[in-house]
This record gives sequence, structure tokens and C-alpha cells, in this order.
Amino acid sequence: KAGVTQTPRYLIKTRGQQVTLSCSPISGHRSVSWYQQTPGQGLQFLFEYFSETQRNKGNFPGRFSGRQFSNSRSEMNVSTLELGDSALYLCASSTGQFTDTQYFGPGTRLTVL
Amino acid sequence: AQSVAQPEDQVNVAEGNPLTVKCTYSVSGNPYLFWYVQYPNRGLQFLLKYITGDNLVKGSYGFEAEFNKSQTSFHLKKPSALVSDSALYFCAVRDPVNTDKLIFGTGTRLQVFP
Repeated sequence: KAGVTQTPRYLIKTRGQQVTLSCSPISGHRSVSWYQQTPGQGLQFLFEYFSETQRNKGNFPGRFSGRQFSNSRSEMNVSTLELGDSALYLCASSTGQFTDTQYFGPGTRLTVL
Repeated sequence: AQSVAQPEDQVNVAEGNPLTVKCTYSVSGNPYLFWYVQYPNRGLQFLLKYITGDNLVKGSYGFEAEFNKSQTSFHLKKPSALVSDSALYFCAVRDPVNTDKLIFGTGTRLQVFP
């Protein structure tokens, strides 16, 4: 089975712009979670989508949003980028059962200048 | 609220020696516990998990972890470290009573010296 894929792998944007990141889960997985990883804050949960519905949400401002499509692929959008949004954005997929393992993609490295 | 702590930012060990990476947790019910490893510029790779049953869990690459309910710990261990084990290790917990998200520790950098 193919693993979780994320595109693009690297992005450079300037402050004020917006960005969309994409995540394709493992085939058969219906849950996609997004995380932000920074050296200072570690791994922070952004949100989780399950069957096209946002099931959980972390403590991030409304500039961070996401969606999930009928094929379980997910996108994450960040509007009005700030310097502090520079991070590695990771997505993880699972079947959606709470005991199930989340499998991570390689991440998208976002740099905001 | 659920939380997880990794008290050591870095662990140094000589190749061939046993290694331990510590993790403690706080949840309101019986926890679901996970260990992941991250190599530079990569995503997280799953190592092992504890859901229920035997307190000693065996995982990938020779790693194992012991669930200790009385000490609320889930330390990661390996009998003989390899230089290639050098990476960033994350412990994570999910509270089955409040199962809204997987919470990660701050990570422990393992350095194995030849």
C-alpha cells in the first residue's frame, strides 16, 4: 500500500499571502489529521477530518482551515500568512478508530518571508 | 485534560548499550499510548502502541515499551542501541474518555555514539 503523500514538499511564501497544502491518505483510511511542527512549540494538533466532516479542532486561529473530499484527500489552507506560520506541516491518516495508529506523511516545509 | 511529558530533551548512549527514553502521561481514563520516531526532514514513523493487554509492548526495529499504570509511564527501551537509532522520539497519548485528539510530548533527541 502506498503511504501518506503530501504536496508540495516545500513552499516559500511572503507575509499576507495564503497557501494551500494537500494530503492524500493511505487507501481505505477515512480520517486525516493535520499537525504543525516548530522547534519552539513542538507538534501541535490543528484539526481532524473524518468522512468529509471536521471532527476535532486544535487551538489555532481561524486563518487555519481545512476540508476533506469524498475520496478522503484533504487540504489545509492558511490565509494572511505570518512569519510565525513557518513550520513543518504534517498530515496523518488512519481508519478513524481511536485505537488505530495514525500514519504520517513526509510533511510540507512552509517558509514565510 | 490529557497531557504527556518527556522529561529529557536529549539522551546520549554508546552503541551496544541499552537505551531508555522516558515518557509519563496524565489522562482521566485508561490511556492509549504511542511512540513515534522522526528522522531529519522526514515525517513521523510509528514504532509501537499500547491499547490494552500485556504491559510489555514490542515494536519495530527492536524497540519495546512497558506500560506502568501506577507510575503513569510508558518508557521506550532497546537492549542494544545502534548509531542508526539516532533520531527524535515522540511519545503520544489519547484519552479514551475524551478521545478528541492525539497529544504529543515535546520529543527526546536520542544520540547514539559509536
